[in-house]
Amino acid sequence: GAVVSQHPSRVICKSGTSVKIECRSLDFQATTMFWYRQFPKQSLMLMATSNEGSKATYEQGVEKDKFLINHASLTLSTLTVTSAHPEDSSFYICSASFRAQYFGPGTRLLVL
Amino acid sequence: QKEVEQNSGPLSVPEGAIASLNCTYSDRGSQSFFWYRQYSGKSPELIMFIYSNGDKEDGRFTAQLNKASQYVSLLIRDSQPSDSATYLCAVNDSGGGADGLTFGKGTHLIIQP
Repeated sequence: GAVVSQHPSRVICKSGTSVKIECRSLDFQATTMFWYRQFPKQSLMLMATSNEGSKATYEQGVEKDKFLINHASLTLSTLTVTSAHPEDSSFYICSASFRAQYFGPGTRLLVL
Repeated sequence: QKEVEQNSGPLSVPEGAIASLNCTYSDRGSQSFFWYRQYSGKSPELIMFIYSNGDKEDGRFTAQLNKASQYVSLLIRDSQPSDSATYLCAVNDSGGGADGLTFGKGTHLIIQP
């Protein structure tokens, strides 16, 4: 299967700060990457589709100005959670498509 | 609103037996179907994908798809304690994962030694 990395794996920040999460496809080029969020004991929910060289497509209810996505190359997409609040605390997971979607290891965000 | 339904479990199966996991989906236009395994605190790991009606086998795993009934299942033969995890069913409208996935809530599987 394809390999996707994510960094950082865990981050704790104060309310009001911004946090950037990186997602990289290590052994293939991905024109499309996806960002999901998973709250405790719930399933993954698609937040947005990240398209290389163009604007991201956000799911209904996801604020594009709060969750900034940049997909500047075929191997890297970034998600920036701006002005994070405690309710943004969650497990953020990216995926990249190569015949199927392969997920990164996830980033656990805790906002104090 | 697309929906993917799974029995949350827990489903308890003795070691060595066959574990059967089921999933139904609401959108008749769904084209691609995926099974992921998720261990506690980890991200999902792809087990199998299936696009066509019928069975698809990969090692101890068999995925079964019935588009007329909007039903997809996963069989795990010779279950091992390491198979204990949450199994997520996911669907999307395109082939090859070009669109985002809609996930079910997952079935918690416990393999009893």
